[in-house]
Amino acid sequence: GAGVSQSPSNKVTEKGKDVELRCDPISGHTALYWYRQSLGQGLEFLIYFQGNSAPDKSGLPSDRFSAERTGGSVSTLTIQRTQQEDSAVYLCASSSRGWGAFFGQGTRLTVV
Amino acid sequence: QQQVKQSPQSLIVQKGGISIINCAYENTAFDYFPWYQQFPGKGPALLIAIRPDVSEKKEGRFTISFNKSAKQFSLHIMDSQPGDSATYFCAASGANAGNMLTFGGGTRLMVKP
Repeated sequence: GAGVSQSPSNKVTEKGKDVELRCDPISGHTALYWYRQSLGQGLEFLIYFQGNSAPDKSGLPSDRFSAERTGGSVSTLTIQRTQQEDSAVYLCASSSRGWGAFFGQGTRLTVV
Repeated sequence: QQQVKQSPQSLIVQKGGISIINCAYENTAFDYFPWYQQFPGKGPALLIAIRPDVSEKKEGRFTISFNKSAKQFSLHIMDSQPGDSATYFCAASGANAGNMLTFGGGTRLMVKP
């Protein structure tokens, strides 16, 4: 596709369940980012991939959060044992080396 | 994470006025400075970007001013319109900083009719 695609666009899950969020970056983009954004707030950095490796995982809020990227393309963000405070919009972005990132529309996660 | 500090957090401007948002960075390895615009319910969209070999870049009503010695850059929106009401994020990255984008905290702009 022409842009960054995220799925699902909305996810409602029960507290304690695991969720997987998917990001399809722009073809050929080597860098991939995950951010979290609560309502009306800024961008909270979660993790950065360069190719399949993650040189910066410093933003993952707890060990319930993990992410992987395969084939230098698709990335999955997994949240285990979801908590209500995990409710937010999860944004994925991709970029070519040295250029600006392009964002997907995000996945709105609601934990009930 | 390397810091980029953005101010103000919120800004109210009358229609036709100039909106000015400022950012300051610490890492001298940064060499790419984009600005993003985000409307409610949407992901941030790349608006305009500058590299430190120029001091100013203009695209339509949007201008980035860059001061390398002060490690500061700013976004100016001329003739601000109500449709410009959005949240704006500055960012920075560099080949010698891992090529990873670092974002400012965001500025919520409201342009009053």
